[in-house]
Amino acid sequence: DIQMTQSPSSLSASVGDRVTITCRASQSINSYLIWYQQKPGKAPKLLISAASSLQSGVPSRFSAYGSGTDFTLTISSLQPEDFATYYCQQNYSPPPSFGGGTKVEIK
Amino acid sequence: QVQLVESGGGVVQPGRSLRLSCAASGFSFSNYGMHWVRQAPGKGLEWVALISYDGDNKYYVDSVKGRFTISRDNSKNTLFLQMTSLRAEDTAFYYCAKEPIAGDEVWAFDIWGQGTMVMVSS
Repeated sequence: DIQMTQSPSSLSASVGDRVTITCRASQSINSYLIWYQQKPGKAPKLLISAASSLQSGVPSRFSAYGSGTDFTLTISSLQPEDFATYYCQQNYSPPPSFGGGTKVEIK
Repeated sequence: QVQLVESGGGVVQPGRSLRLSCAASGFSFSNYGMHWVRQAPGKGLEWVALISYDGDNKYYVDSVKGRFTISRDNSKNTLFLQMTSLRAEDTAFYYCAKEPIAGDEVWAFDIWGQGTMVMVSS
């Protein structure tokens, strides 16, 4: 099974900051990487698929890159509604697996 | 709009059974594969099971194989998860989630329900 590792596990940032989260796969997953956002008490929301394709309605301050084993999610200017936990997930090979999550907190 | 609503969660003793349901609306349910994904309190996400759009193919995470059964009733737009021999480590929020592409399994989740809590405790 493919293991997904996210870093950091948590970070504190201020509104307007640029934030970058990394995700590493235990083997190459090409571009089969998805990012989700989860707010407290809510279900996850699909943000980005195929490593870099923003879902409809996702603000352009979100961007993501990567292929193979190393991936990043960047929020260019953090907004109050972006404080949440972010998960990466590989859909290259079943079973699908998630990273441990990165909690973005208010500084 | 597209909506998934889970039900059936609760507190159950170890070794007992529980059946979760997920009512779908706002899309052609019978055209899409469906998943169950769980999240232990304060923990990360874990995929549990997938059923193909027509119910012919079913897949499970190793930890639930032989204990959980995923099924669907396309005439009633409903997904199920029958859970038996429950263990403390099965305690989690259980989400149903929809595949993004009709007729295919790409192992992604584009729409999620609000979740239903299952607590296994004596």
